[in-house]
Amino acid sequence: DAKTTQPPSMDCAEGRAANLPCNHSTISGNEYVYWYRQIHSQGPQYIIHGLKNNETNEMASLIITEDRKSSTLILPHATLRDTAVYYCIAPFGNEKLTFGTGTRLTIIP
Amino acid sequence: EAGVVQSPRYKIIEKKQPVAFWCNPISGHNTLYWYLQNLGQGPELLIRYENEEAVDDSQLPKDRFSAERLKGVDSTLKIQPAELGDSAVYLCASSLGGTQYNEQFFGPGTRLTVL
Repeated sequence: DAKTTQPPSMDCAEGRAANLPCNHSTISGNEYVYWYRQIHSQGPQYIIHGLKNNETNEMASLIITEDRKSSTLILPHATLRDTAVYYCIAPFGNEKLTFGTGTRLTIIP
Repeated sequence: EAGVVQSPRYKIIEKKQPVAFWCNPISGHNTLYWYLQNLGQGPELLIRYENEEAVDDSQLPKDRFSAERLKGVDSTLKIQPAELGDSAVYLCASSLGGTQYNEQFFGPGTRLTVL
């Protein structure tokens, strides 16, 4: 896996866009970037993944820089239910997911 | 569609006792995983199954931990004997495998407390 670096915690006001950064400067050409989140007392939940192009689904958008050394997960209109730990992971091929300590995102009313 | 089911949700045992956790993956998911999650840390893979075959058990402490996935569906993870340091959340996940290998669906976990 490529090493990923995330801030340990972030706050975001309810209704605003939450932008979660992830640095993966050692990523190789065939390593995808995956994002998961874990709400308190629940198992992790898959959010989105991408390789080169920006991706969007019903939960979030993923912006990957052109050099692929960093990415940003965007929750467009954060709600209180988005309070969770967010994990950025760059597994090599079909290798196992290696979760770090992630970013603890707190949505503030 | 039902998600990944785990039982029990909570288990309290005394050290040196055995304990078992059960997991039922999403129907059609051939790949099944067991993870361990310590407080404040991310999940760590213990074992991965492709159907009934354990294809990655390098992180499973085999002196006291064992797992099985008979018939390639349900799975059981066992600890015998349990130690104080085994207190953690044990998570089960499943995926379709192949190109969707890393889109894993997790169960709610079993919180184990060893006294």
